[in-house]
Amino acid sequence: DTGVSQDPRHKITKRGQNVTFRCDPISEHNRLYWYRQTLGQGPEFLTYFQNEAQLEKSRLLSDRFSAERPKGSFSTLEIQRTEQGDSAMYLCASSSRAGLEETQYFGPGTRLLVL
Amino acid sequence: GIQVEQSPPDLILQEGANSTLRCNFSDSVNNLQWFHQNPWGQLINLFYIPSGTKQNGRLSATTVATERYSLLYISSSQTTDSGVYFCAVEQQGGSEKLVFGKGTKLTVNP
Repeated sequence: DTGVSQDPRHKITKRGQNVTFRCDPISEHNRLYWYRQTLGQGPEFLTYFQNEAQLEKSRLLSDRFSAERPKGSFSTLEIQRTEQGDSAMYLCASSSRAGLEETQYFGPGTRLLVL
Repeated sequence: GIQVEQSPPDLILQEGANSTLRCNFSDSVNNLQWFHQNPWGQLINLFYIPSGTKQNGRLSATTVATERYSLLYISSSQTTDSGVYFCAVEQQGGSEKLVFGKGTKLTVNP
């Protein structure tokens, strides 16, 4: 078990471009979460999947953001028409939820800079 | 939604000192986790502790759910303990997502 991995680790893009991030969860985990973290703040929830179903999206997730988890394995987060305010660390976490008990394991994050 | 407040916001210690970090939350919770974010940004889960007390080496945590707070104790601190400590909670009866506090930034000097 290699833990949660994310790719790329860093991304610099120009305003208006589209970007896509990938997250590979721990293999037996059924839940996958995306968070966004800006400087000096804690991570903020964006969306989560149980297997391939996207169960909740935050109001932070504008229509420029879309996430998928085909076949309940890896997930992608796409940001269209990036804006400077999208610059942040994007974190992925996975878990194997049993009832109410859950421990989330985080990947190393993708740091996005929009110029 | 649930509010999470952590204190102190910043803490500077000498190596070997002990410390207590506090997390207050505004409603009942199903889930409470403590995380350590290292200087490279990696979040490491320390404890899943919606109630009770747990210990892992030099770290221990206590959550008093009825009074809506949790404490993280670090004993005999080391420079590698430096980083930001986050408390995150899942509100009971609410959405199944973690809400994070703003963290406590710990600096341990040699």
